[in-house]
Amino acid sequence: EIVLTQSPTTMAASPGEKVTLNCLASSSVSYMNWYQQKSGASPKLWIYGTSNLASGVPNRFSGSGSGTSYSLTISSMEAEDVATYYCLQLSSYPPTFGSGTKLEIK
Amino acid sequence: EVQLVESGGGLVKPGSSLKLSCVASGFTFSSYGMHWIRQAPKKGLEWIALIYYDSSNKYYADSVKGRFTISRDNSKNTLYLEMNSLRSEDTAMYYCAKLGTTDYWGQGVMVTVSS
Repeated sequence: EIVLTQSPTTMAASPGEKVTLNCLASSSVSYMNWYQQKSGASPKLWIYGTSNLASGVPNRFSGSGSGTSYSLTISSMEAEDVATYYCLQLSSYPPTFGSGTKLEIK
Repeated sequence: EVQLVESGGGLVKPGSSLKLSCVASGFTFSSYGMHWIRQAPKKGLEWIALIYYDSSNKYYADSVKGRFTISRDNSKNTLYLEMNSLRSEDTAMYYCAKLGTTDYWGQGVMVTVSS
């Protein structure tokens, strides 16, 4: 089973600040998906195939990475970005999620 | 509009059984593999089961293997999760989902295992 380690666990960013969330895989994966989950809601696909924004996702978000190291970046933090973000690998069975990064606003 | 609607959750005692259902609409259910994912209270997401579009293959997380069974009825656009020998650690919100480039999740159904 591939273990995904997300960092940081929690972070707070100021409006306008650049934010980078990381996801490290225990073995190489072909691509990474990212989900946004707000309190009390189902997760939403945010980035798929490492770098493709899902429908409706603002272009201040981007994704990058390869092999065992992936990241989600917000170029300029906004209040509506407060959420928990999870990475998910589907390259190898079983699928596995990272433990999540809780993003707060200062 | 795509919808996945889970049902069948509730409060049960340890050792009990429960069967969850997920009714799909708005997409060609019979063409896609489907997953069950759960989230314990205030915890992260845990993938637990996958069934291929034609039921030819099924995969389970180690935490549920041998106790949970995933199945589907494509004629009814319905996904199932039969859960046996339930434990307190199975307490969670259970989501059905189609994962991938196009990605759909249900609203979730709560299962609470407690004496």
